[in-house]
Amino acid sequence: GAVVSQHPSWVICKSGTSVKIECRSLDFQATTMFWYRQFPKQSLMLMATSNEGSKATYEQGVEKDKFLINHASLTLSTLTVTSAHPEDSSFYICSAPFSGGLYEQYFGPGTRLTVT
Amino acid sequence: QKEVEQNSGPLSVPEGAIASLNCTYSDRVSQSFFWYRQYSGKSPELIMSIYSNGDKEDGRFTAQLNKASQYVSLLIRDSQPSDSATYLCAVSLSTSYGKLTFGQGTILTVHP
Repeated sequence: GAVVSQHPSWVICKSGTSVKIECRSLDFQATTMFWYRQFPKQSLMLMATSNEGSKATYEQGVEKDKFLINHASLTLSTLTVTSAHPEDSSFYICSAPFSGGLYEQYFGPGTRLTVT
Repeated sequence: QKEVEQNSGPLSVPEGAIASLNCTYSDRVSQSFFWYRQYSGKSPELIMSIYSNGDKEDGRFTAQLNKASQYVSLLIRDSQPSDSATYLCAVSLSTSYGKLTFGQGTILTVHP
């Protein structure tokens, strides 16, 4: 199946700093990618839709100035958590729809962010 | 009402039994339906996708979709301990390419 990678797999940062997470589609091009967040013992919640060459679309309640998304190429989307706080600690997962399937999404391995 | 609801768990079945996982959704324009498996600390892994009413079989897994009842299910035959995981039902609307709405997940434990 299609492969999506994320980097880093885990990161610890101090409160007030910014963290960048990369999401790459390795063997296919993705004009659209999605960013999800998952808190412990909860399901995935969509944060935003990343669109190559245009602005991201954020879900209701997600601060676009705090979670900066850049989709500069057909294989790379980045999520930057700015001025991180402990409540931003979560599992961040990106996904990309595989063009060979109808709406099928393939998920990256996730990035665990801990803000101290 | 939640958009996607799964049967409350956790669900525990003996090895070799059939595990039945259920999911209902509220939006009638939902078009695509998926079952993902998620092991603890890992990201979701796609198991099945189904788009038309009826059954779809893939190995030990069978997905069933009934759009009239807004219901989708996953059957796991000959359950194995390695099937122990959280199973997530996800739905995509025809108007929102690729965007998935997830259910809360059902924890499945297969005991030897």
